Amino acid sequence: DIQMTQSPSSLSASVGDRVTITCRAGQTITSYLNWYQQKPGKAPKVLIYAASNLQSGVPSRFSGSGSGTDFTLTISGLQPEDFATYYCQQSYDTPITFGQGTRLEIK
Amino acid sequence: EVQLLESGGDLIQPGGSLRLSCAASGFTFSSYAMTWVRQAPGKGLEWVSAIGSSGGSTYYADSVKGRFTISRDNSKSTLYLQMNSLRAEDTAVYYCAKPNFGGVKYDSFEIWGQGTMVTVSS
Repeated sequence: DIQMTQSPSSLSASVGDRVTITCRAGQTITSYLNWYQQKPGKAPKVLIYAASNLQSGVPSRFSGSGSGTDFTLTISGLQPEDFATYYCQQSYDTPITFGQGTRLEIK
Repeated sequence: EVQLLESGGDLIQPGGSLRLSCAASGFTFSSYAMTWVRQAPGKGLEWVSAIGSSGGSTYYADSVKGRFTISRDNSKSTLYLQMNSLRAEDTAVYYCAKPNFGGVKYDSFEIWGQGTMVTVSS
């Protein structure tokens, strides 16, 4: 199985800040890396697919980069609605695996 | 509007069985692989199982292999998850998910249902 490791596990930031979340795969997954946002009691929502492609309808303050084993999600100019938990996920091979999540909290 | 609606979650005793359903609408169901993902209370996301668009290919997490069976009825636009020999660690919200482009791999989960809660407890 491909292990996905996110860092940090939690993060405190203020509205307007720029934040970066990293995700490392246990082996190369080329660019088959997706990012999701989940709010309490809600289903996850895809933000970025294939490492750097912005899902339709997602604000442009979200961006993704990386390939191989190392990936980042950047949120430029945090908005109040961005405080949530973020997950990376590899789709390179089954079993599909997720990172453990990064909880983004208001400072 | 593309929608997924799960049902079938319940409180069930250890060792029991349950069948979850996911009714799809707003897209050509038979053209897309489908997936089940679960989330235990307060925990992260765990991929459970996936099925190809025709139903001919199925995939399982090791944690459920041999106990869970994924299936689909394309004539009813419905996805199923038959869960047998349930354990306490299967307690979770179960989501069905539709891929962006149709595949099991090399894709992302574009649409999710609202989830259905399965509680395994005596």
